Amino acid sequence: GIQVEQSPPDLILQEGANSTLRCNFSDSVNNLQWFHQNPWGQLINLFYIPSGTKQNGRLSATTVATERYSLLYISSSQTTDSGVYFCAVERGNNDMRFGAGTRLTVKP
Amino acid sequence: EAQVTQNPRYLITVTGKKLTVTCSQNMNHEYMSWYRQDPGLGLRQIYYSMNVEVTDKGDVPEGYKVSRKEKRNFPLILESPSPNQTSLYFCASSFSSLAYEQYFGPGTRLTVT
Repeated sequence: GIQVEQSPPDLILQEGANSTLRCNFSDSVNNLQWFHQNPWGQLINLFYIPSGTKQNGRLSATTVATERYSLLYISSSQTTDSGVYFCAVERGNNDMRFGAGTRLTVKP
Repeated sequence: EAQVTQNPRYLITVTGKKLTVTCSQNMNHEYMSWYRQDPGLGLRQIYYSMNVEVTDKGDVPEGYKVSRKEKRNFPLILESPSPNQTSLYFCASSFSSLAYEQYFGPGTRLTVT
C-alpha cells in the first residue's frame, strides 16, 4: 500500500517563529488532507489539498502532486498551534492512509 | 450545530465481552468511517461506508464489525475484544467519499484488560 512519511517527527518552537512540516507519499493520490490534533485529542481538518496552494490565516499548504510531497507552513506560531499535525492521502479507493504525524510544541 | 458524536467516550472492559461504540452525525453525510489511533502509527482506517447498507474494509478490519442501517449512524462492534484492541477510536464523516472534508468525532478511548 501507499506509504506516507512525515517530517520532522517532533518540533519545538518559540512563540512567533515560523515552521514547515513535510509530507512525502509513495504513489499518486486523489486526495490529500492535513489535520491538526489538539492536546485534548480533537481532530480538525485544516486543508483539503490534492494539488496547488491554499492559505487560511497563518496557515498555508502546498502540494506538488508530480513530486509526491506536501508542505504545511505555520507562520507566527502561537501556543494554541501545539499538537500533532497529520497528513493523510487517498488513492481513489476510499482507503485513507495517515502519516505518523509531527508533534509540534510552541513555547511562550 | 454540525457534529459527529461518539459514545461512550471512555470504556474499560475485559477480554471477550462484546461491546458497541456508537457514532452519529447530523450533517446528512453519505460517507462515514472508523479509525484507530495508536502511538507512533498515526490513524489507521478500520471500516468505511459509502452509504446505507454499503460498507467495506479499511486497513485494519480484523476483529471489528460495522453496520449502516441508517444514514446518520455507523456503530463499531467488537464481538470478542482482545487487549491488542486497546486504542483510541475515531469516527468520521464526509459529504460523499473522501473528496470532501472529513469531520471527526471526539474519540473513544477503549481499554481491554
